[in-house]
Amino acid sequence: AQKITQTQPGMFVQEKEAVTLDCTYDTSDQSYGLFWYKQPSSGEMIFLIYQGSYDEQNATEGRYSLNFQKARKSANLVISASQLGDSAMYFCAMRGPYSGGGADGLTFGKGTHLIIQP
Amino acid sequence: NAGVMQNPRHLVRRRGQEARLRCSPMKGHSHVYWYRQLPEEGLKFMVYLQKENIIDESGMPKERFSAEFPKEGPSILRIQQVVRGDSAAYFCASSFGTGDTYEKLFFGSGTQLSVL
Repeated sequence: AQKITQTQPGMFVQEKEAVTLDCTYDTSDQSYGLFWYKQPSSGEMIFLIYQGSYDEQNATEGRYSLNFQKARKSANLVISASQLGDSAMYFCAMRGPYSGGGADGLTFGKGTHLIIQP
Repeated sequence: NAGVMQNPRHLVRRRGQEARLRCSPMKGHSHVYWYRQLPEEGLKFMVYLQKENIIDESGMPKERFSAEFPKEGPSILRIQQVVRGDSAAYFCASSFGTGDTYEKLFFGSGTQLSVL
């Protein structure tokens, strides 16, 4: 079974500072994908970034980067130069290979509520 | 370039009534997933469907809940005889269904179900 742990229920960060949101995972699969989604107060789930388990380089998407440490089973999201609009819930998620007996979808962590202060 | 469309955005039902939640996947996507989000929680998988076929319903409660994805029209999540504990945000996601572990799921804006 897959499990995602996000240990920071909430974070306050000053605008323009860099932010690191923690995510650790547990899986017995060799091949898997790690995802980060943003959920603003309006409720929609917005895809931010993904990292494949076999990717050797950390993923980057604009101001988002994923600090992937496979041996430690961590996939932290880094947001550079935070903005007020970054205030939202952030969810880490994992997807493994479809085994036929489990969910072919995403397993989510409980999320981190990020608040950017001016 | 419409994304995943869910309606209604908000749904209020009294205990014992039926709730029907609709989801139209992104153009070209043939796989649909339903998730439920309780307050202060992440999304929990409910069911995974292809057109006219349920692939995996391991996250679906055994009673009162059903889902379908007909050949024509949106996917429907149906909750019969709703109870207060069914109050949650229900999200639909879609994908091409390649089975690739790196395949992104695209989410709709969700339906907030409130049971009075």
